[in-house]
Amino acid sequence: QSVLTQPPSASGTPGQRVTISCSGSNSNFGSNYAHWYQHLPGTAPKLLIYRNNQRPSRVPDRFSGSKSDTSASLVISGLRSEDEADYYCAAWDDILRGYVFGTGTKVTVL
Amino acid sequence: QVQLQESGPGLVKSSETLSLTCTVSGGSISNFYWSWIRQPAGKGLEWIGRIYTSGTTNYNPSLKSRVTMSVDASKNEFSLKLSSVTAADTAVYYCARDGPFTGDGGPEYWGQGTQVTVSS
Repeated sequence: QSVLTQPPSASGTPGQRVTISCSGSNSNFGSNYAHWYQHLPGTAPKLLIYRNNQRPSRVPDRFSGSKSDTSASLVISGLRSEDEADYYCAAWDDILRGYVFGTGTKVTVL
Repeated sequence: QVQLQESGPGLVKSSETLSLTCTVSGGSISNFYWSWIRQPAGKGLEWIGRIYTSGTTNYNPSLKSRVTMSVDASKNEFSLKLSSVTAADTAVYYCARDGPFTGDGGPEYWGQGTQVTVSS
């Protein structure tokens, strides 16, 4: 089981704001970056947010990330149908000496 | 733009060794972290481990006793071996490379994934 805990699902109507939380610990978020990946079924996961709150240029600015102490959050502002996907947080863990992914959150656009 | 492609048997017998190769194109294999990640059907992503081009490895503690990773710079490819497989190892396996963004060796570029099924 993952050391990073996310809600299994989140949903909203088009245009709404959706927030996904990711709870970790001192050994991962407490001392390392949080990253977020978007995963559409049958495709390769894509890096969505890196180093807590940075976006690759190809990622729309309606996606934003933050980190505080041992937790991280992803916000999708102005939800669109193409945002329907699975979202994973991730971080390096100093105790495990490895990368850990969150449990994943399925976002549904109603 | 770097591209990664996984290859290997799609069906492996229980108790045998799963072997996958990731071929890298559009860039050098040198000076990067190369990772393997898997996803069982209906479940989340699981990091298997990574290897730096120098040969330094980090493995998921839960899989460490069964995992071996290697890099062949002459072929621009890296490999995964997972021994003594069981049905629990059935998954889509992804290879990935780090990049300038994550800053901690985390995966940025991913292959499309390959399905591996363990049969009894």
